[in-house]
Amino acid sequence: EDKVVQSPLSLVVHEGDTVTLNCSYEVTNFRSLLWYKQEKKAPTFLFMLTSSGIEKKSGRLSSILDKKELFSILNITATQTGDSAVYLCAVEVRGAQKLVFGQGTRLTINP
Amino acid sequence: SQTIHQWPATLVQPVGSPLSLECTVEGTSNPNLYWYRQAAGRGLQLLFYSVGIGQISSEVPQNLSASRPQDRQFILSSKKLLLSDSGFYLCAWSGQAGNTIYFGEGSWLTVV
Repeated sequence: EDKVVQSPLSLVVHEGDTVTLNCSYEVTNFRSLLWYKQEKKAPTFLFMLTSSGIEKKSGRLSSILDKKELFSILNITATQTGDSAVYLCAVEVRGAQKLVFGQGTRLTINP
Repeated sequence: SQTIHQWPATLVQPVGSPLSLECTVEGTSNPNLYWYRQAAGRGLQLLFYSVGIGQISSEVPQNLSASRPQDRQFILSSKKLLLSDSGFYLCAWSGQAGNTIYFGEGSWLTVV
């Protein structure tokens, strides 16, 4: 069974800290890994990763994929209260036309 | 640009009543369409997906059904709701190649 596991499930830090969120996966036929941010309603797309070792970066957020060890990390530097959200990791299974999601990491940034 | 609309945004329904959640996509043709459910404190669980009109794949056995009467319309239904059907339901779409999917605003369902 295809599986995506995120850790930690919950994280509370102070504004300005740097955080690292983890996502590991076991799927039959990996195609890509995606990160989403979910604040109050719909998840919004952050990154899609397909190749190992190539960092994707957007402002203070960055992500990298390790296809040998089957995991990805999402880094957020100089965190702000607006970064508080649930961060979801999902893996696309080749040929399956669907994404398998992890449980999410609830990140809380305190001022 | 593509947009996805989902309604109603919230509803409270008694046990045993029917359900209909509707989703439409604009600005694209022949999208893949999805229904996900998110229970409190959990990740997203794929319920149904569709690669074309009338083509529905069910991921988990349940009390719900889905239909795709038109290319850009996806409907989630139930004939008789259960308490366990409560949750946050998200419609989503992707291009035919799959990979990145985009979500609607979601519908909060509370079954009482």
